[in-house]
Amino acid sequence: QITLKESGPTRVKPTQTLTLTCTFSGFSLSSNGVGVGWIRQPPGKALEWLVFIYWDDDKRYSPSLKSRLTVTKDTSKNQVVLTMSNVDPVDTARYYCAHRRVVSGNWNGGDFDSWGQGTLVTVSS
Amino acid sequence: EIVLTQSPATLSLSPGERATLSCRASQSISTYLAWYQQKPGQAPRLLIYDSSKRATGIPDRFSGSGSGTDFTLTISSLEPEDFAVYYCQQLYNWVTFGGGTKVEIE
Repeated sequence: QITLKESGPTRVKPTQTLTLTCTFSGFSLSSNGVGVGWIRQPPGKALEWLVFIYWDDDKRYSPSLKSRLTVTKDTSKNQVVLTMSNVDPVDTARYYCAHRRVVSGNWNGGDFDSWGQGTLVTVSS
Repeated sequence: EIVLTQSPATLSLSPGERATLSCRASQSISTYLAWYQQKPGQAPRLLIYDSSKRATGIPDRFSGSGSGTDFTLTISSLEPEDFAVYYCQQLYNWVTFGGGTKVEIE
């Protein structure tokens, strides 16, 4: 059974850097073809994909946010860490990590077959 | 960026009725489309992938169809637990989501 859980601050100030951690179980991010994604959802709004990170440390960032995002993995801890720099109130959202359904190829895309519960982050001074 | 437009924004139906949800892509995406269900306070749940394949554990009252730019999610007979928001997602060129369709009880 795959589980994921996001953790991090509930509130950050504008211009600060946000760091979120995804801790998962039930799969290994060192196994061929495995990937984890981050998706966010502002309150009452639709979903927005942010990034994929793969078993081979390949990373694919949303073109619109690429300059502000960094994703890393710690395979020994079963964790993925997302950092977002220079946050703004428009970044207020629930942030989800999710397991990318294992499909070979199309590394710029993917759908998500298991999700964490999400963590709500508010950006406010 | 590929834009997904979902319609209608809200669908008001009664239990037992058939629900038909639409998702239109701004350019052809072959069958690189998924559907999710999201209930209040919960994470999205994958229902359909590759336009028409049901994810593990999804009841067969849910079905997906379409290719190119026009896609449909059909719920053959609504159960009380099906009232939720539904999102489509394309994975043909990066990842984008539609704006969602809320299926509410009439």
